[in-house]
Amino acid sequence: AQTVTQSQPEMSVQEAETVTLSCTYDTSESDYYLFWYKQPPSRQMILVIRQEAYKQQNATENRFSVNFQKAAKSFSLKISDSQLGDAAMYFCAYRSPKGAQKLVFGQGTRLTINP
Amino acid sequence: NAGVMQNPRHLVRRRGQEARLRCSPMKGHSHVYWYRQLPEEGLKFMVYLQKENIIDESGMPKERFSAEFPKEGPSILRIQQVVRGDSAAYFCASSPPGQGAGGYTFGSGTRLTVV
Repeated sequence: AQTVTQSQPEMSVQEAETVTLSCTYDTSESDYYLFWYKQPPSRQMILVIRQEAYKQQNATENRFSVNFQKAAKSFSLKISDSQLGDAAMYFCAYRSPKGAQKLVFGQGTRLTINP
Repeated sequence: NAGVMQNPRHLVRRRGQEARLRCSPMKGHSHVYWYRQLPEEGLKFMVYLQKENIIDESGMPKERFSAEFPKEGPSILRIQQVVRGDSAAYFCASSPPGQGAGGYTFGSGTRLTVV
């Protein structure tokens, strides 16, 4: 079974600075999808960015980018120019293209933005 | 096009009562997933349904929990004889067939409190 590990329970960053959230995963599959979700206090799960494992190019969405290292099974999220609205729980997730295609989530990282 | 609608947003039940959580998927989405989030944890997969069929219920507790997605109407997650340990946020997500890397759309969740 696949597992996802986020080793940083909490992170903080100064507003306008850059922060990187770590995520590692374990799988025997060669094709899969990886996601970062943001969960603000409203509890809504918001998709931040996605990466397909067969693509070597790292995904980028505005101020959010990933560093996908397939051999190391690492998928970190970089947030540039941090804003107060980025404060939230961030979850890394894995999804297999086979079977139920359910998401396997990490434990989450709580990100605090200091003004 | 409304998003995934979950109701109620908050539900309080006494121990031993039944809890019914509802999820209306996005228009055109025929796949529904239920996840449970315990305090300070990531989401855990419970069950995957398509219209009138349970496809994967490997994450569902064997007793007291059931789910359905009828031909007409919302998907229902039912918890009988609730206990304090059932207190959690329950999320529903929906996707169209053949979602690829698109991920799901999540609802805002139902927070169940058992007193």
